[in-house]
Amino acid sequence: DAGITQSPRHKVTETGTPVTLRCHQTENHRYMYWYRQDPGHGLRLIHYSYGVKDTDKGEVSDGYSVSRSKTEDFLLTLESATSSQTSVYFCAIRRGDRRPYGYTFGSGTRLTVV
Amino acid sequence: GENVEQHPSTLSVQEGDSAVIKCTYSDSASNYFPWYKQELGKRPQLIIDIRSNVGEKKDQRIAVTLNKTAKHFSLHITETQPEDSAVYFCAVPYGGSQGNLIFGKGTKLSVKP
Repeated sequence: DAGITQSPRHKVTETGTPVTLRCHQTENHRYMYWYRQDPGHGLRLIHYSYGVKDTDKGEVSDGYSVSRSKTEDFLLTLESATSSQTSVYFCAIRRGDRRPYGYTFGSGTRLTVV
Repeated sequence: GENVEQHPSTLSVQEGDSAVIKCTYSDSASNYFPWYKQELGKRPQLIIDIRSNVGEKKDQRIAVTLNKTAKHFSLHITETQPEDSAVYFCAVPYGGSQGNLIFGKGTKLSVKP
């Protein structure tokens, strides 16, 4: 699993309900990211974290919130799920702090909002 | 902010031929250029990357070239094989020292046996 796991792998939820996705890493990396992947849009950044309790918005953050209370866990919450949030969500870790590095992605969560 | 454009969006080649995918970026301060491969239903995986102090990097059948003046970089795959069929993404960093990556929209490569 390359040191990063996502849960759940699949989820179907109803419009208007809150949903939380979990990303867990075992390697103590500082930077963690949440992306969504949609056909024709590639990978778009939702939120990212650069340390415990340090988070910031990405390009498509509306309707999402995040929390990082421990180094190893980064949670993504859809406050009130909408059909436009049906997507595949990928968590990623960055293997280095002081300059840009490639990411390692989790296996993804396929979320369907009905 | 940074903008990255990737072309072509789809590419079909015969097995054994070469494939080239190109990305252009807007921020001349960008200094790191990775390429990812995503097989159907799988996670994106880093296959090769290059930093701005190098013009070319090779790893077996894949290579990345960088033209900083023109602000573009390319992925080259030689002697393509069916297992090279996948979606390929380029990325560039933005956000200053945070080094967050912005991704191109992807190229679907199909290698026909």
